[in-house]
Amino acid sequence: QVQLQESGPGLVKPSETLSLICTVSGESMDNYYWNWIRQSPGKGLEWIGYVFHTGTTHYNPSLTSRVTISVDTSKSQFSLSLASVSAADTAVYYCARASFEPTLRFFDSWGQGTLVTVSS
Amino acid sequence: EIVLTQSPGTLSLSPGERATLSCRASQSVGSLYLAWYQQKFGQSPRLLIYGTSSRATGIPDRFTGSGSGTDFTLTISRLEPEDFAVYYCHHYSRSLPWTFGQGTKVEIK
Repeated sequence: QVQLQESGPGLVKPSETLSLICTVSGESMDNYYWNWIRQSPGKGLEWIGYVFHTGTTHYNPSLTSRVTISVDTSKSQFSLSLASVSAADTAVYYCARASFEPTLRFFDSWGQGTLVTVSS
Repeated sequence: EIVLTQSPGTLSLSPGERATLSCRASQSVGSLYLAWYQQKFGQSPRLLIYGTSSRATGIPDRFTGSGSGTDFTLTISRLEPEDFAVYYCHHYSRSLPWTFGQGTKVEIK
């Protein structure tokens, strides 16, 4: 059974870059989309983007100018980089898996989430 | 972008009652591409329903999804104490970005 675990700093200063890693265990990363999703305090869920195991990416247009998602299958990890953060980027960040199959691209496995606070 | 609007925002019910949650899309979403998640306080979302009506592994049959086009429904036939949570719908169609509804909170009356 696949497990996902987010890691990274819990506090980032305004204008700096938020960087998180998701470590995947229990299954191969092949043939899945690996996603980042965030949830601002008391608010709903926002899909940030995905990386396929080949390195192909797609980002939410609302964040595309600031986001980079990359994958390192040799380490069973994928990462999120969000530049020029502000208080509006304070959120719980989740990593999640979605199948390559178009009709199965729901998020079937999630990490536990990590709270990132943007503050000086 | 497909906007998903959930209603009501909050549903106040008693254990044993039936819950009906609505998710309306701003444009047609194929029935194969609509999912529902349950999120309890402090936890990650958990997949309940995919493809509008297919229950995920281990999800009890009191959870039923239905709908088509732009209107989808999650029904919990008889609320158990562990069902009080926030529920989100989500589309994963080819029309990116993937989006979620804003959530419906099912609370104890």
